[in-house]
Amino acid sequence: SSELTQDPAVSVALGQTVRITCQGDSLRSYYASWYQQKPGQAPVLVIYGKNNRPSGIPDRFSGSSSGNTASLTITGAQAEDEADYYCNSRDSSGNHLGVFGGGTKLTVL
Amino acid sequence: EVQLVQSGAEVKKPGESLKISCKGSGYSFTSYWIGWVRQMPGKGLEWMGIIYPGDSDTRYSPSFQGQVTISADKSISTAYLQWSSLKASDTAMYYCARLSGDSSGYYLDYWGQGTLVTVSS
Repeated sequence: SSELTQDPAVSVALGQTVRITCQGDSLRSYYASWYQQKPGQAPVLVIYGKNNRPSGIPDRFSGSSSGNTASLTITGAQAEDEADYYCNSRDSSGNHLGVFGGGTKLTVL
Repeated sequence: EVQLVQSGAEVKKPGESLKISCKGSGYSFTSYWIGWVRQMPGKGLEWMGIIYPGDSDTRYSPSFQGQVTISADKSISTAYLQWSSLKASDTAMYYCARLSGDSSGYYLDYWGQGTLVTVSS
């Protein structure tokens, strides 16, 4: 199986740009997807594939990837972006399973 | 509109059995994998396993193999997660989600609202 590593916590000033990263060997072969989870709510997909946003996700959210690292960037962070963010990638074992990162708690100051 | 609607919260005793459900609508239920994800209190997301309702092909993450059973009834567009003997450590929120993507990567594009399972004597 694979492992994905995220920083446990990141903070950003209101209106500034923040990058949340995710590292893992499987990211050399597969794109990451990113999920936002607010307290008491189900996760929501915010970025998938090379850099795709589902309908309804603001364009301040973007994704990128280089080597074994995937990044989620929020350009002009808003108060409502304060949440936990999880990366996910396909497991490199080939059985169609996935693996999540440990999550990053984003605080908007 | 794609929807996954999960069954309601459960309170069980250790050793009891349980089966929770996830009903899909608004899309071809047999054409997408469904995944189950565990979130223990205050913790992160864990991938438990997946099922393809079209032919019931099922895959389990190593940590959950033998601990739970994933199944589906395509005639009623419903996936299930079940335990034969619950433990206190099974206390968690359980989510189902639809799996989309291709060989370049998968993603969970629609999620159920979650089912809270509490196991306590």
